Amino acid sequence: GAVVSQHPSWVICKSGTSVKIECRSLDFQATTMFWYRQFPKQSLMLMATSNEGSKATYEQGVEKDKFLINHASLTLSTLTVTSAHPEDSSFYICSAPGTTGGNTEAFFGQGTRLTVV
Amino acid sequence: QKEVEQDPGPLSVPEGAIVSLNCTYSNSAFQYFMWYRQYSRKGPELLMYTYSSGNKEDGRFTAQVDKSSKYISLFIRDSQPSDSATYLCAMSGTARQLTFGSGTQLTVLP
Repeated sequence: GAVVSQHPSWVICKSGTSVKIECRSLDFQATTMFWYRQFPKQSLMLMATSNEGSKATYEQGVEKDKFLINHASLTLSTLTVTSAHPEDSSFYICSAPGTTGGNTEAFFGQGTRLTVV
Repeated sequence: QKEVEQDPGPLSVPEGAIVSLNCTYSNSAFQYFMWYRQYSRKGPELLMYTYSSGNKEDGRFTAQVDKSSKYISLFIRDSQPSDSATYLCAMSGTARQLTFGSGTQLTVLP
């Protein structure tokens, strides 16, 4: 199946700093990528949809100025958590939709565990 | 009411048992149904995908969809300790956006 590579797998940062998370599609082109956040023992909550060459679409309640998304190429989308605070500590996961035969299954990155201290 | 309801468990079974995981949904626009397995601190991996009512089998896994009842299930036969993980149901309509259940934490005891 398709491979989505996400880096870093974990990061610890100080409160007030910014953190960039990268998501790459390794063997296919992804015009769309989804960014999720997952708190412990909870399901994935969609934060935003990243579209190559255009502005991202954010879900209700997600601050677009805090979670900056850039999708500059067909194989790379980035999420930058700006001025991070301890409440931003979470597991962030990207995914790209499947493209084979109209299927809508998604391929997920490995996830990034962010801890803000 | 959530669009997708899934019993969070936790669920513990002995090795070799048959496991039944279930989700219900309320949005009749959902057409595609998926089951993902997520190990601790890892991204989800796709296990099963189906879009029609009925059963779909893949090795020890069977996905079942009943659109009339808005109910989907995943059965795991001859469960193994390596099956211990969180299982997430997910579904979507014509858009590519997925809606996830809350996940069921499964432990298979040796």
